[in-house]
Amino acid sequence: AQSVTQLGSHVSVSEGALVLLRCNYSSSVPPYLFWYVQYPNQGLQLLLKYTTGATLVKGINGFEAEFKKSETSFHLTKPSAHMSDAAEYFCAVSPPWNAGGTSYGKLTFGQGTILTVHP
Amino acid sequence: SQTIHQWPATLVQPVGSPLSLECTVEGTSNPNLYWYRQAAGRGLQLLFYSVGIGQISSEVPQNLSASRPQDRQFILSSKKLLLSDSGFYLCAWSVGINTEAFFGQGTRLTVV
Repeated sequence: AQSVTQLGSHVSVSEGALVLLRCNYSSSVPPYLFWYVQYPNQGLQLLLKYTTGATLVKGINGFEAEFKKSETSFHLTKPSAHMSDAAEYFCAVSPPWNAGGTSYGKLTFGQGTILTVHP
Repeated sequence: SQTIHQWPATLVQPVGSPLSLECTVEGTSNPNLYWYRQAAGRGLQLLFYSVGIGQISSEVPQNLSASRPQDRQFILSSKKLLLSDSGFYLCAWSVGINTEAFFGQGTRLTVV
């Protein structure tokens, strides 16, 4: 079984400051990892994903995340926060294609982190 | 390009009334389809997923059901709504296994 823990339900930063949103996962095999962003009353938009290969992945809007297998982490960062980054962010995992079973791309989500950006 | 449509955007229903939420996907064939529910402060919970017409799997026991009458159509239903069914319902699709899911804009359901 997989699980995702996002440390901090609320994170507040000043505009221009570093954004760090934490995500740790539990999985019997290294999973595929995703970060999504959700603006109020809207669906989820994919920011970035890690499947295989380079462990540092870059996404949209200047975000990036690094897969660290030894730490079972996939933290999301952005060097300089913008007011438009204020939203809720979700980390998600799914089993890799060769994990067997009936995974069928099902995602397990963390509880979400609300990012507030102050001027 | 692929698009996903979900409607209605908001819905207020009395307890005991039926429910039907519809989701359609355009621009892809044989997608995997999903219904998620998002309750306040609780993240997203997978309710149903489907890998083909008429093939529905339920992730959690509940008052809801799902159907897939056509390849790119996914319907979430209830015969009698409960207060606890209130939430934000999201439809999503993916192709192949273990790729990212793409989400609709969601339906805000309030049961009163």
